[in-house]
Amino acid sequence: GAVVSQHPSWVICKSGTSVKIECRSLDFQATTMFWYRQFPKQSLMLMATSNEGSKATYEQGVEKDKFLINHASLTLSTLTVTSAHPEDSSFYICSAPKLPSFFSTEAFFGQGTRLTVV
Amino acid sequence: SQQGEEDPQALSIQEGENATMNCSYKTSINNLQWYRQNSGRGLVHLILIRSNEREKHSGRLRVTLDTSKKSSSLLITASRAADTASYFCATDDIGANSKLTFGKGITLSVRP
Repeated sequence: GAVVSQHPSWVICKSGTSVKIECRSLDFQATTMFWYRQFPKQSLMLMATSNEGSKATYEQGVEKDKFLINHASLTLSTLTVTSAHPEDSSFYICSAPKLPSFFSTEAFFGQGTRLTVV
Repeated sequence: SQQGEEDPQALSIQEGENATMNCSYKTSINNLQWYRQNSGRGLVHLILIRSNEREKHSGRLRVTLDTSKKSSSLLITASRAADTASYFCATDDIGANSKLTFGKGITLSVRP
């Protein structure tokens, strides 16, 4: 099956610093990727849709200047948490549909990144 | 907004028993999918059922979909301890451009 690789799997950073999380589709091209945030024992909350070649689309309530998304190529999207604070500590997960978005498809998920801001 | 609502929220069964999890949703969908998540890991796709399908099987998994009631069920037969995980339903809503909406999840514990 298709593989989406997310890196790093965990990161600890100091308050005020920025952290970059990478999401790569390893064996297929993804013009669209999705970034989610998940709090302990809760569901996934969609943060934004990453679009190759254009700006990301953010969900209501998500600060675009706080969570910078860059879809640099057809296989790579990055999420940068800028000026991180302890309340940004969470589990971040990316996903990519294998087929173009106008097909109804299953999504392939990265392994997730556990961010802890101290 | 979260529209998939699973029940029960937590389920504990003995190995070998069947586990049934339900999901309700509110909008019109292209398909409904079930995912599994082991603690601290990403999600793994289990099965997808399209809006024009009523039942689908994959190994020990059986999924039903009732679009009139806007509900789905996931049945895991002959459960194993390794099935212990959280299970989420997700809807691919019409017009949402493959943007999935996840339910709150069900925590399944299978006792050996």
